[in-house]
Amino acid sequence: GAGVSQSPSNKVTEKGKDVELRCDPISGHTALYWYRQSLGQGLEFLIYFQGNSAPDKSGLPSDRFSAERTGGSVSTLTIQRTQQEDSAVYLCASSRTGGTFNYGYTFGSGTRLTVV
Amino acid sequence: AQTVTQSQPEMSVQEAETVTLSCTYDTSESDYYLFWYKQPPSRQMILVIRQEAYKQQNATENRFSVNFQKAAKSFSLKISDSQLGDAAMYFCAYRSAQQRRFGAGTRLTVKP
Repeated sequence: GAGVSQSPSNKVTEKGKDVELRCDPISGHTALYWYRQSLGQGLEFLIYFQGNSAPDKSGLPSDRFSAERTGGSVSTLTIQRTQQEDSAVYLCASSRTGGTFNYGYTFGSGTRLTVV
Repeated sequence: AQTVTQSQPEMSVQEAETVTLSCTYDTSESDYYLFWYKQPPSRQMILVIRQEAYKQQNATENRFSVNFQKAAKSFSLKISDSQLGDAAMYFCAYRSAQQRRFGAGTRLTVKP
């Protein structure tokens, strides 16, 4: 597609429920990132996928968070047993790579998650 | 750990004037890139400008330019001839082979 697509754009869930957030990156972008942006805060790195390599999960805040990327394209971020502190905007970004890291990210519009 | 600091939570500028947003970073790496991103109320983050650490020449993109001081680890963004559409959150970002970090952002208001 022309840009990075995220769905849903907004999600309200009850505490304790599981949620899945979807990201469809730009075709041909081998790198995919998930970030979390809490109200008035900067971006907190969550996870990074690069091609077929093992993902960098170093930013995941707890074992309730997991993500996968199927076929090197679409990614799903899953949050199990959601807590109120999980409320935030979850941003997905993709970029080209080629052994360098000078490419900027193309971001999606994010999913605003509200846990009530 | 590498950190990115934006010391100005909010800035304001009069339309058509110039404003500078500051960013400092901490790193022990020699090979990295620096970026400025803009996030308008629509939430879509947009790349504004990038700077390669090995280049001494400051990057420029139309009305946007940077002042990159590598020794001081400073990377400020200058917006000239500010327009109402420049109003947004601006994030400074650091990226290397091992690290990818963002600052906390600066909210820029443009007054007509």
